[in-house]
Amino acid sequence: QVQMQELGPGLVKPSETLSLTCNVSGASISSYYFSWIRQPPGKRLEWIGHIYFKGRTNYNPSLRSRVTISVDTSKNQMTLKLSSVSAADTAVYYCARYRGRDCAGGMCNYWYFDVWGRGTLLTVSS
Amino acid sequence: DIQMTQSPSSLSASVGDRVTITCRAGQNITTSLNWYQHIARGAPKLLIYGASSLQSGVPSRFSGSGSGTDFTLTISSLQPDDFATYFCQQSYIAPWTFGQGTKVDFK
Repeated sequence: QVQMQELGPGLVKPSETLSLTCNVSGASISSYYFSWIRQPPGKRLEWIGHIYFKGRTNYNPSLRSRVTISVDTSKNQMTLKLSSVSAADTAVYYCARYRGRDCAGGMCNYWYFDVWGRGTLLTVSS
Repeated sequence: DIQMTQSPSSLSASVGDRVTITCRAGQNITTSLNWYQHIARGAPKLLIYGASSLQSGVPSRFSGSGSGTDFTLTISSLQPDDFATYFCQQSYIAPWTFGQGTKVDFK
């Protein structure tokens, strides 16, 4: 059974860099796409980006200039770093596996987030 | 970005009710539409992928339909475990975007 758990500091000061970790068990971090997704209070979910194939990344253009996603294969762990944070970055942050189905020749008919963590609340405040 | 709009934003229902939630995409997304259930402080759960395919282990009272821009999630007979927030997500083109959510609570 695949499980994911987000860990973070809970509170970050404005202008600092936040760092969150996602521990993955039951699946190799190298074998799938893994994403970060966040939900600010009262707002909809926002996809931040994902990492796959031992380091290739895609980021949401709205956050690309501030985001870095990386993996530590020895710990089966994914990390999110978001720089120059402000109150607008206050949110519950989730990690999730993004999986393709009915795939052939590198293309898949379906893509979805099939496993999620419970999320961790990150507050930006001085 | 593709805008996803759900309706209603919330609804009140009773156990045994038939519940329907709609999701509209800002452009044609074929059948690249997924539905999730989220119970507060828990992990979101995939219910439906590809607009109408039931994820393994999900009860058959959940069903999805639609293509193009208009999609529907139906719960045929609401059960106590189904009081939750439901949201749609398009996987047609990045950045992947979500609906604002529909909260289903007790009438």
